[in-house]
Amino acid sequence: SQKIEQNSEALNIQEGKTATLTCNYTNYSPAYLQWYRQDPGRGPVFLLLIRENEKEKRKERLKVTFDTTLKQSLFHITASQPADSATYLCALEGGANNLFFGTGTRLTVIP
Amino acid sequence: GAVVSQHPSRVICKSGTSVKIECRSLDFQATTMFWYRQFPKQSLMLMATSNEGSKATYEQGVEKDKFLINHASLTLSTLTVTSAHPEDSSFYICSADPGYHNEQFFGPGTRLTVL
Repeated sequence: SQKIEQNSEALNIQEGKTATLTCNYTNYSPAYLQWYRQDPGRGPVFLLLIRENEKEKRKERLKVTFDTTLKQSLFHITASQPADSATYLCALEGGANNLFFGTGTRLTVIP
Repeated sequence: GAVVSQHPSRVICKSGTSVKIECRSLDFQATTMFWYRQFPKQSLMLMATSNEGSKATYEQGVEKDKFLINHASLTLSTLTVTSAHPEDSSFYICSADPGYHNEQFFGPGTRLTVL
């Protein structure tokens, strides 16, 4: 079965810096990968989707890369703000539009 | 647009009782809905895929007789936790697939506490 790991359980970063989160996976080749934001006690909110034939995708201050050789996706938040503090989840397409989620990284942006 | 609601948001029940959780897509139709469970500080675990008008597909290790899923219409799926026990206490989240762009829209979740 597929295994999805996110680089660290928690990441603290100073306001204004770029936060970089990592998602590594094994035993699978997903057609696409997604990143979600989850606030405490809430459901995930979709941020970005990147397909296997895409190297990079951007949306405002967010950038996602997808390296199918390394089986890795990087998620960047530039000019980070305290409001960006949340848990970020990567999710892999698992066939039939199923999603399998990583363990999440709790990001804290320090003012 | 693309709003998914869940009801109730929070429920506390006694061991042995059954609890029904509703998931509704408010402004779109969803032929497929998904049910997830999330334990504290853990990620979402897919429990089952619910297709309108057909039986749900359960992930390995999820008891279909314990977690009854009914996808009665294109905007409503329900999850019933039967004979709930304290170990079923968790955060249950549904999502709905509108069938385009490979996006799923998630509900706000239901916190179930079984005493």
